[in-house]
This record gives sequence, C-alpha cells and structure tokens, in this order.
Amino acid sequence: EADIYQTPRYLVIGTGKKITLECSQTMGHDKMYWYQQDPGMELHLIHYSYGVNSTEKGDLSSESTVSRIRTEHFPLTLESARPSHTSQYLCATKSKTSGIYNEQFFGPGTRLTVL
Amino acid sequence: GQQVMQIPQYQHVQEGEDFTTYCNSSTTLSNIQWYKQRPGGHPVFLIQLVKSGEVKKQKRLTFQFGEAKKNSSLHITATQTTDVGTYFCAVPSGAGSYQLTFGKGTKLSVIP
Repeated sequence: EADIYQTPRYLVIGTGKKITLECSQTMGHDKMYWYQQDPGMELHLIHYSYGVNSTEKGDLSSESTVSRIRTEHFPLTLESARPSHTSQYLCATKSKTSGIYNEQFFGPGTRLTVL
Repeated sequence: GQQVMQIPQYQHVQEGEDFTTYCNSSTTLSNIQWYKQRPGGHPVFLIQLVKSGEVKKQKRLTFQFGEAKKNSSLHITATQTTDVGTYFCAVPSGAGSYQLTFGKGTKLSVIP
C-alpha cells in the first residue's frame, strides 16, 4: 500500500543535540515538502523538493537543512536543536501528474520537544 | 506571496447545529483546496474547487467557490462529534503553483 512514513513519531531531546527527522514515501511522488506546525496553529512551509538533488527553502525561515538523494527519501536535519525548535514537523508529497486533483498527502508527523 | 484569510479562528457548536468557515483571497485563485486535521492528527485532503461558482457536496459537507474565484466556504449541516477538528483552506503558490499556502484554519468543537 502506497504511504508516507515519518520517524520518529515523538522525540524529546536536549539542547545542542543533532537530530534527523526521517520522511519516506512509497507513492512514487516527485514533489516533497516539510511543514512546521505549532499545536492548533497554521502550517508553515520550511523546505520543499521537486525531485532528486533539488531542494529549496520555504516561506518560513528555518535553521534545519534537507537533502533529496533518493526520490522516496526526504530527511530533515537540525545540527543543534534548541527549545525554539519545539514543534510538529509534517512531511507531505504531491504527484507529478496534474490529474483532476492536485492535493498534497501528509505523513503522520513528528512531534519534537527540545528541553 | 499568496495569502488567504480564514475565519473564524474558533467555532464551538452544539451537536446538530450547522457550521461554516470562510476563506478569502485578495487575488483570483486558480483553485482552492480544503483539508481537515483531527486533533493530534495530520491534514487530510477533502476537496478541490476549480470552477467559478462551483458547489460540491460530500454527505453533510458543502463546499462553494465564489463567482470571482476569490473566496470559498465550507458548510457542515447538523454537526456530529466526528466533525471535530481544524479545517484549513489552501491555495496554490510559488513557481509553477506546486506549493500550497494554508489559511490559519478554523478549529471546530462540537458539544454533545
């Protein structure tokens, strides 16, 4: 079954640690996105990729970095976590073909808490 | 960049009452999408509206796209506790319109 996976689902970590949030998809979609969302608040695009070796920063400035070495994999890395990074991080994909709908498909998210 | 205003931010209704959330843009939109996010969950696509004046229904949910393609609404008839969550509108943005700009969302609470 085609799906989007995010690991870990929950992460509590101390300040200064390096972390990598994993996102993988079996949908074969070329476009992938990372959003940051505080509880009950709007979604902010922080990174996106339209294909392998293509990554761009989104509207919301973020200290995180991403890579896209394989189509199905889009990890997000924080070199030195800080309490201000505490949030939910959502990964999403979009199909290459326009089709009737142009929706994005979201993974379950990673809830990050930095102490 | 593209912006979309969504109101209200919160809505508390008694079960069985109706609910409506609105999205407004200052620019003409090519399409608008609606998503639902359950508490603790992730956004799930509901529908996309493309045509001027379009009205689409999904059971108790009615979606409308304005004639000028600058506003949209989502109306839920006779709310149920399963309708609880945050409803977001989203509009295309960025080069190629491959990105989405989300409204701030309307958080719906249903009192049993």
